[in-house]
Amino acid sequence: QLQLQESGPGLVKPSETLSLTCTVSEGPISTTDSYWGWIRQPPGKGLEWIANIFYTGSTYYNPSLKSRVSVSVDTSKNRFSLGLSSVTAADTAVYYCARLLRNASNFYDYWGQGMLVTVSS
Amino acid sequence: SFELTQPPSVSVSPGQTATITCSADTLGDKNVCWYQQRPGQSPSVVIYKTAKRPSGIPERFSGSSSGNTATLTISGTQAMDEADYYCQAWDGGTGVFGTGTKVTVL
Repeated sequence: QLQLQESGPGLVKPSETLSLTCTVSEGPISTTDSYWGWIRQPPGKGLEWIANIFYTGSTYYNPSLKSRVSVSVDTSKNRFSLGLSSVTAADTAVYYCARLLRNASNFYDYWGQGMLVTVSS
Repeated sequence: SFELTQPPSVSVSPGQTATITCSADTLGDKNVCWYQQRPGQSPSVVIYKTAKRPSGIPERFSGSSSGNTATLTISGTQAMDEADYYCQAWDGGTGVFGTGTKVTVL
């Protein structure tokens, strides 16, 4: 069964860049039937879609975050990454990575456990 | 992009039907999926492509859509269905989540 695991610093200072990696195991990231996504959830609040990336590097970003977000993929290591620059306290959230089963399905079928990232000095 | 609006909360008695709506000015014929999120857990899909149920999801979960409103219905609600539910749709390649609905089984 496919597994996704987020990793990275759990504490980031204001104005710095948040960097997370999602490692995919028990399945290839280089597959044509999947996109790989990032979703976040501030404490006690709802889900916010951040971005998707295809294994070729093709990306889609949330327009409200686009100026600060960068997503990349490393097929040799079977992982993809999220960068969010100029963070503020409003970026404190649980960050999830997930697989998007594309085409007729278009839903996230596998999720990581989530990683809390706190923005604080 | 558009916004998906859900009622903040829905209360239901065990065995009764819970109805959760998801509305947007331009939802139209966009496909909608629904995610269930229990406390402390990652979301998991219960409905995709508006009305399709993934393998392993109980038949009491159903989805429908009319005009600019999609609906998730939980028939014969059980205590284990108490969770937050989020609708989600795509605007081209951009994803949008609904505001979320907390379902309480009284």
